[in-house]
Amino acid sequence: EAQVTQNPRYLITVTGKKLTVTCSQNMNHEYMSWYRQDPGLGLRQIYYSMNVEVTDKGDVPEGYKVSRKEKRNFPLILESPSPNQTSLYFCASSLSYLARSGSGYTFGSGTRLTVV
Amino acid sequence: ILNVEQSPQSLHVQEGDSTNFTCSFPSSNFYALHWYRWETAKSPEALFVMTLNGDEKKKGRISATLNTKEGYSYLYIKGSQPEDSATYLCAPWTGGGADGLTFGKGTHLIIQP
Repeated sequence: EAQVTQNPRYLITVTGKKLTVTCSQNMNHEYMSWYRQDPGLGLRQIYYSMNVEVTDKGDVPEGYKVSRKEKRNFPLILESPSPNQTSLYFCASSLSYLARSGSGYTFGSGTRLTVV
Repeated sequence: ILNVEQSPQSLHVQEGDSTNFTCSFPSSNFYALHWYRWETAKSPEALFVMTLNGDEKKKGRISATLNTKEGYSYLYIKGSQPEDSATYLCAPWTGGGADGLTFGKGTHLIIQP
């Protein structure tokens, strides 16, 4: 089944304890992206990647890191989480960054992160 | 950051009624417009990808139109059913850059039996 797999689904952690949220897709998609969803706000892009070893900042990159060493994987790293990073996170992938064709973005199931 | 407005924010509709809502976006440098359905406790799922002015797309009872010159899109649901209850997101792609889509805050639709 074509899918984006995100783990964990839920995570409660303490301020300053490094964590990684994993994202993996099995569709050979070139484009991958991380979003966060907060109440009253739309999905906001954190980082995106056009292909292996090509990543760039989105609208809200502060406090996050990413890597794209393999095409299928795009982990989100919080080196020193803070309470303001408590949010719902989504990984998404697409055939390419050219969002004009195809079937749109495929989203992972989401990770609800709480930083205390 | 691109200004994408969706209205209304929320909507209560009786089962069987038809409804529609709006997505407004800057018309300059337009490349594409996506619609997603986001059910509670699930992840957003793509409904439509629209690119041309005057485009009209349909999937079952749901359809969408696009006006790129004035910068808006309408989503229509005919004969609403309880399973249509969800938040509907629109996301334009403008500028052609790799930063991709900008998502609106969504229209939260509740179908009342």
